[in-house]
Amino acid sequence: DVQLVESGGGLIQPGRSLRLSCAASGFSFGDYALTWVRQAPGKGLEWVGFIRKNAYGATTDYAASVKGRFTISRDDSKSIAYLQMNGLETEDSAIYYCARDVRVSGGYYYMDVWGKGTTVTVSS
Amino acid sequence: DIQMTQSPSSLSASMGDRVTITCRASQGISNYLAWYQQKPGKVPKLLIYAASTLQSGVPSRFSGSGSGTHFTLTISSLQPEDIATYYCQTYNSAPRTFGQGTKLEIK
Repeated sequence: DVQLVESGGGLIQPGRSLRLSCAASGFSFGDYALTWVRQAPGKGLEWVGFIRKNAYGATTDYAASVKGRFTISRDDSKSIAYLQMNGLETEDSAIYYCARDVRVSGGYYYMDVWGKGTTVTVSS
Repeated sequence: DIQMTQSPSSLSASMGDRVTITCRASQGISNYLAWYQQKPGKVPKLLIYAASTLQSGVPSRFSGSGSGTHFTLTISSLQPEDIATYYCQTYNSAPRTFGQGTKLEIK
């Protein structure tokens, strides 16, 4: 079965850093882009950013709200994607999901499989 | 950035009803539109991509239509397991903006 498992969440003070992991199994990880999406308590979904596969340079795009603070990377040898979060703010408190991207013509992507998420709470 | 606006924000319907949710994009996005279902306390699930293509395993009572700026998600006959919040999302550019969600409840 295709599976994504996030980890690394927890309680963290404002201004600190945290790294989330997304471990994949059941598919050829290196053939896919990966996206991170977050959901603040009681709120809707917010696209955070994504990383293309290595064949496309493993390039990244980010939402304006996290650009310059968050960095997505990948290690295809381990089938893991990472979300490095620096300068955390209370507004970053959310469940963080990773999702597998399906590429369509034109170089666009939609998410077809989601992990169960990991919770990040930013509080002093 | 493209803005996605869903209506209504919440909806109450009876079992067996035909339910329609609308999503409007602030500019044309062709058919680069996906719909996700999120049941309470659960992970979002892909229902429809390319505005009208049903994801494998999704019941045929779900359908999507539209192109450009106006899209709809229709449930032909509401079932108890369809109680959820539904989100549209554009994917023709970054950021891939979600609509604010439509919470579907049973009347």
